[in-house]
Amino acid sequence: RKEVEQDPGPFNVPEGATVAFNCTYSNSASQSFFWYRQDCRKEPKLLMSVYSSGNEDGRFTAQLNRASQYISLLIRDSKLSDSATYLCVVFNQAGTALIFGKGTTLSVSS
Amino acid sequence: EADIYQTPRYLVIGTGKKITLECSQTMGHDKMYWYQQDPGMELHLIHYSYGVNSTEKGDLSSESTVSRIRTEHFPLTLESARPSHTSQYLCASSEMVAGTEAFFGQGTRLTVV
Repeated sequence: RKEVEQDPGPFNVPEGATVAFNCTYSNSASQSFFWYRQDCRKEPKLLMSVYSSGNEDGRFTAQLNRASQYISLLIRDSKLSDSATYLCVVFNQAGTALIFGKGTTLSVSS
Repeated sequence: EADIYQTPRYLVIGTGKKITLECSQTMGHDKMYWYQQDPGMELHLIHYSYGVNSTEKGDLSSESTVSRIRTEHFPLTLESARPSHTSQYLCASSEMVAGTEAFFGQGTRLTVV
């Protein structure tokens, strides 16, 4: 089983739509989780950390389910500028480095 | 904006040449990483470091080597470049504290012809 698995998409949605991405991870001992955003041919940038109690940042909501070992990202009121690849990130088994999922591609159209 | 820099941004080089990809950060981070990413594919960890004189291999086997003589500098070297090394190489750094985010440089896009 891969350490981090994501539905690659692409998700094609109209502006204003709500879209949700899920991610599963294999390391039950992992304590830190993140969502990164990567634009085409650019470096990944942190979108938000994922906390045990769930957290929200504007239109973005992240949730963590430790029992099922999955993380979710909800984007409300999608904007054209949200078009990007969203990367689910967890610490590896040894807790030494960040492991990235393959990413889910979102395309928002007008 | 993150203070982590990679040079060169783009490199086209012939087979058999020795190359060094530079990565520097001014945030005082102890942990540094090298990831390799092919177009449309996931990032693969190839090297990381906890600090000066510490280097470890990542999850993806790589023919490259790294060194960490100074905290701020984490260069990656390929002794003899091959077309199979063509890829994007991304350097990142983070604090030593567990659970902190990593900041990425803009990457080096390497093409070996």
